[in-house]
Amino acid sequence: DQQVKQNSPSLSVQEGRISILNCDYTNSMFDYFLWYKKYPAEGPTFLISISSIKDKNEDGRFTVFLNKSAKHLSLHIVPSQPGDSAVYFCAASPFGAGGTSYGKLTFGQGTILTVHP
Amino acid sequence: DGGITQSPKYLFRKEGQNVTLSCEQNLNHDAMYWYRQDPGQGLRLIYYSQIVNDFQKGDIAEGYSVSREKKESFPLTVTSAQKNPTAFYLCASSNPGPGANVLTFGAGSRLTVL
Repeated sequence: DQQVKQNSPSLSVQEGRISILNCDYTNSMFDYFLWYKKYPAEGPTFLISISSIKDKNEDGRFTVFLNKSAKHLSLHIVPSQPGDSAVYFCAASPFGAGGTSYGKLTFGQGTILTVHP
Repeated sequence: DGGITQSPKYLFRKEGQNVTLSCEQNLNHDAMYWYRQDPGQGLRLIYYSQIVNDFQKGDIAEGYSVSREKKESFPLTVTSAQKNPTAFYLCASSNPGPGANVLTFGAGSRLTVL
């Protein structure tokens, strides 16, 4: 049972344009969401996160939107740059950062983003 | 520089052999994790440890074992009982508190069973 789904295996965009990566989840207990970026043969690195009490979080070129009623989140990258080419994973956690559930993330399958010069 | 060191980077194993993947961190993080990545799938949690001398099973612990004798170290043993061990293995760490879900990952170890 895939509780976090990234339905687009790949996305190709032109440099300077917007990249939109999507993620859907089914578990209503998830209340903290993260995006990680991964280059080949490296570990994922944290990009941006959002708590369920917010519907938007912005960090420079990266913005994450959360639609709790639709159980959907998206990552917007504006403007896209060739160095953004990587695999992007969304991840979800229940109960925020507290309790004993921290770090036990459920990941989506990943979306390969390619930004063409 | 603080970080997580995983070794070896590549490992080949014959069927029936146990192998141990090393994970060392110098971030002074309390919690450490092992995730597995397979093509077309997200990362899946194998084991995690939130304190020394204690660890818990994740979603896919069967065929794996871990130990946490030191805060800095969290080795993973892939036993012969693991039916499909060929995968990319990622070790991570974090601390409790506001950033607890922001994991720092190592570069990974790729295990291939021949």
